[in-house]
Amino acid sequence: EPEVTQTPSHQVTQMGQEVILRCVPISNHLYFYWYRQILGQKVEFLVSFYNNEISEKSEIFDDQFSVERPDGSNFTLKIRSTKLEDSAMYFCASRATGTPLHFGNGTRLTVT
Amino acid sequence: GENVEQHPSTLSVQEGDSAVIKCTYSDSASNYFPWYKQELGKRPQLIIDIRSNVGEKKDQRIAVTLNKTAKHFSLHITETQPEDSAVYFCAASWGSGGSNYKLTFGKGTLLTVNP
Repeated sequence: EPEVTQTPSHQVTQMGQEVILRCVPISNHLYFYWYRQILGQKVEFLVSFYNNEISEKSEIFDDQFSVERPDGSNFTLKIRSTKLEDSAMYFCASRATGTPLHFGNGTRLTVT
Repeated sequence: GENVEQHPSTLSVQEGDSAVIKCTYSDSASNYFPWYKQELGKRPQLIIDIRSNVGEKKDQRIAVTLNKTAKHFSLHITETQPEDSAVYFCAASWGSGGSNYKLTFGKGTLLTVNP
């Protein structure tokens, strides 16, 4: 079964540094998402992306965050200047039209 | 926006018993309700979903019921097994086939099935 893949699995960074989290969605999917999950809490929507533009974003997704689909296979989340409170598991997800959401295994981001 | 409440936060059952997890949602426009199982350190995995045009859906030991009038939906697991132990999340969304499907999740239920 095809899977959403995310790299790296764990990223440690210092406060104020930029990080890029990478995702390869399932190949025939058209809708892409980033969610995050702070340890022990619920999964929260960050942003959705379709047709090379952001469809919707949450209030968490401020101007420190950006997403990009640089080529036909990758989907990235950039955090420009990380804060301690950005420490979380970040999940990429994708779906095709009319199908459920498929999550990747996540990237655990630790900001020190 | 949508708000999803989930209860209980923890649930412990004996192997073979049934488990029921309940969720309520606030936005009457929501029409898609998936349930995800998340094992420790792993991705949320879809176990069952229901759309608002049906009241119940079953897949082997798992069933989901939806009451649109009351805006609540429930997950039922029968004949529980130790491998059912995980965190279960409900979610709600509005959307049609080509639309956004932004999911709003509940806070999760830690289910423990004791052998």
